[in-house]
Amino acid sequence: DTGVSQDPRHKITKRGQNVTFRCDPISEHNRLYWYRQTLGQGPEFLTYFQNEAQLEKSRLLSDRFSAERPKGSFSTLEIQRTEQGDSAMYLCASSPTGTWVAGELFFGEGSRLTVL
Amino acid sequence: KQEVTQIPAALSVPEGENLVLNCSFTDSAIYNLQWFRQDPGKGLTSLLLIQSSQREQTSGRLNASLDKSSGRSTLYIAASQPGDSATYLCAVNLSGSQGNLIFGKGTKLSVKP
Repeated sequence: DTGVSQDPRHKITKRGQNVTFRCDPISEHNRLYWYRQTLGQGPEFLTYFQNEAQLEKSRLLSDRFSAERPKGSFSTLEIQRTEQGDSAMYLCASSPTGTWVAGELFFGEGSRLTVL
Repeated sequence: KQEVTQIPAALSVPEGENLVLNCSFTDSAIYNLQWFRQDPGKGLTSLLLIQSSQREQTSGRLNASLDKSSGRSTLYIAASQPGDSATYLCAVNLSGSQGNLIFGKGTKLSVKP
């Protein structure tokens, strides 16, 4: 399968623990995005990379959140000292640059976080 | 601040009906608009992307239109099927900010056999 891959699909953790999610984008896509979706809401933008450069961060991304894309391929999203309000689906998406279908995002299946 | 609203929040129709889902946005300065489908507990599947210079896009039984000046988009689904049951989300991509999609809350569609 050559789609966007996310791991783990579901993570249950206790408040105060750290968690890390991984995203592998479609191989020829150099843009990678993280979104968060809570129940009954649309996804909310967190951050975006072009290759290894983190170009935009939402104010939703508090200092407990950090995202990396060290070699411009896969990305990780780490949440430190988790809180119950962090419970959500964390979605990763990728898109190509270039002139064709500019701006179309392809999403993964998401990583669901439950903080007890 | 850009806001995206989808009406109705939920819709139930019998199989075979044609239906229209609505999306409105407050700021017409958008780069493009994208419609997605989301099945329960799953990620998003891209359905149609309309660039700001386009008026509509079609894919199979789906047709999406865009009226930037009035801040509206519609997703038309022809001859609905039970397999179309899902939540449909629209999202606008703001000009000059290609990473940041602003989503509506979605319309939950149920197609009854």
